[in-house]
Amino acid sequence: DAGVIQSPRHEVTEMGQEVTLRCKPISGHNSLFWYRQTMMRGLELLIYFNNNVPIDDSGMPEDRFSAKMPNASFSTLKIQPSEPRDSAVYFCASSLRPLQGNEKLFFGSGTQLSVL
Amino acid sequence: ILNVEQSPQSLHVQEGDSTNFTCSFPSSNFYALHWYRWETAKSPEALFVMTLNGDEKKKGRISATLNTKEGYSYLYIKGSQPEDSATYLCASLNSQAGTALIFGKGTTLSVSS
Repeated sequence: DAGVIQSPRHEVTEMGQEVTLRCKPISGHNSLFWYRQTMMRGLELLIYFNNNVPIDDSGMPEDRFSAKMPNASFSTLKIQPSEPRDSAVYFCASSLRPLQGNEKLFFGSGTQLSVL
Repeated sequence: ILNVEQSPQSLHVQEGDSTNFTCSFPSSNFYALHWYRWETAKSPEALFVMTLNGDEKKKGRISATLNTKEGYSYLYIKGSQPEDSATYLCASLNSQAGTALIFGKGTTLSVSS
């Protein structure tokens, strides 16, 4: 199994540009999570999906952030317009089922985003 | 507001030392407590998932305990090795968070040979 696949690995963009981060969860996994890692706040949950349906997006910082999961094998996190304070590592993770039990998260390699 | 706290923030030990870290989490509406190991330039990987008060899990030289009544978990590493150097994250699953984990900021362990 290839694991959770994220692209791109690194993204450098200028303030005001649109950024799209992509994630392919492990095949057969039904829950998908987007986290953001910063030095100040650690790993913050942005949004998660169960069976392609967004369950909780209360962690999405602003309306500039949006996430979609059009099918079970693909999700995007979009920032429009991007700002320097959005610079962080964005992780996608998936789990076989919702986490109310012994299920664990499988993380992708992350996307290092730098907004200049 | 759900807060998961980890201490210490960082730790430096010599090869062969045993060490332990603490994770405190909300005890109300508790579902599960996770520990992840995060090596530099890699992704976090699950070490343990614990759900019951008094749970103890072990993987090689690493073990963890869980106290759900008082809301804490300990991670122990016996005879630390340089390859144990990593950030250790704990995460709590409580019903207030739905079915998503809330992570602490981690304990970064550095083991010198």
